[in-house]
Amino acid sequence: AQKVTQAQTEISVVEKEDVTLDCVYETRDTTYYLFWYKQPPSGELVFLIRRNSFDEQNEISGRYSWNFQKSTSSFNFTITASQVVDSAVYFCALSIFSGGYNKLIFGAGTRLAVHP
Amino acid sequence: DAMVIQNPRYQVTQFGKPVTLSCSQTLNHNVMYWYQQKSSQAPKLLFHYYDKDFNNEADTPDNFQSRRPNTSFCFLDIRSPGLGDAAMYLCATSRDRTSAPTDTQYFGPGTRLTVL
Repeated sequence: AQKVTQAQTEISVVEKEDVTLDCVYETRDTTYYLFWYKQPPSGELVFLIRRNSFDEQNEISGRYSWNFQKSTSSFNFTITASQVVDSAVYFCALSIFSGGYNKLIFGAGTRLAVHP
Repeated sequence: DAMVIQNPRYQVTQFGKPVTLSCSQTLNHNVMYWYQQKSSQAPKLLFHYYDKDFNNEADTPDNFQSRRPNTSFCFLDIRSPGLGDAAMYLCATSRDRTSAPTDTQYFGPGTRLTVL
């Protein structure tokens, strides 16, 4: 099976707390890409990061960081010093090759609420 | 700024009354996608165009059709909307569909469809 699991349905934190969103994936492909998207209340899915299966280096972008571990098939996302503007639904996605093209398999999403 | 634009942002239609949603892009991408996202769910791919080549997902109902008159525009036609078609409809684009990283998908703000 090729799928993405985001076990945390909802997370609630107080501003300035650090928060980690979990993502576990399954795929039989040896080459694949993983993505994180943010969906604020306005509805648009905002691309945050893409990571290929051969690059296990962690990545940091401002308050955001990503930890990719092939050994545990996880691609977790941490927000440091969370802010109210981080409140959104976050989707982890796996790009798989199916039917002649790449398609995204989304997790169910994690709703993050950051309270002042 | 290059972007994906969807109009209208909110659409109300009556049960059985045809409706058309539109998407345009200034990214000059080859691929355009339509997703359906119901409340608290992940986006579900309906179909995509690779240039003028239309690709329907196997489980997309016949009630949903699409047109792509040129590179910049793509339309989603719902021939006879039912109550179950009420959802957010997201348009996305990517430069390619088989060669990462050019298959990263960029999303528009979505059209929220209400069926009365």
